[in-house]
Amino acid sequence: EAQVTQNPRYLITVTGKKLTVTCSQNMNHEYMSWYRQDPGLGLRQIYYSMNVEVTDKGDVPEGYKVSRKEKRNFPLILESPSPNQTSLYFCASSFGTGSYEQYFGPGTRLTVT
Amino acid sequence: AQKITQTQPGMFVQEKEAVTLDCTYDTSDQSYGLFWYKQPSSGEMIFLIYQGSYDEQNATEGRYSLNFQKARKSANLVISASQLGDSAMYFCAMRDAYTGGFKTIFGAGTRLFVKA
Repeated sequence: EAQVTQNPRYLITVTGKKLTVTCSQNMNHEYMSWYRQDPGLGLRQIYYSMNVEVTDKGDVPEGYKVSRKEKRNFPLILESPSPNQTSLYFCASSFGTGSYEQYFGPGTRLTVT
Repeated sequence: AQKITQTQPGMFVQEKEAVTLDCTYDTSDQSYGLFWYKQPSSGEMIFLIYQGSYDEQNATEGRYSLNFQKARKSANLVISASQLGDSAMYFCAMRDAYTGGFKTIFGAGTRLFVKA
């Protein structure tokens, strides 16, 4: 089954404790992206990757890191999480850009206390 | 700067009636793509429909159609014959050529409630 998987689905952590949210897709998509969803703000793009070893900042990259060492994986790293990073996070992938729709993972609900 | 505006935070529609969800966008590019996604209460994001800026006809996908008015920079989603399962959050999104199509911006969303 074609899908984007994220882990964990739920995470409660404390300020400053490094964490990684994994994202994997099995569709051989070149493009992957991370978003955060907050009430009243819709989805905002954190980082995106056009291909292996090629990443760039979205609109809200502060406090986040990403890497793309393999085509299928695109982990999101929070080196020192803060309460304002409490949010619902989505990973997405698409075959390309332009007209190609994005396939989204199930989401990761992160709470930072 | 690119921007998507969805002015209806919430809407109600009677089952079997049609409903229009508004979306206006701002971009200085001539080449861009507009998308609508649905987010049910279960949380997943589901792609509904796509409209390219050079497409001459409005996009349609089953009960979904996109009322694209380029001069007004609007891309409203029309859902015909609403069903209870259409109750969800709906997001309008845009990719444009300025960023090579790599960046996507989303509107704040419209929550649709379908009444039986």
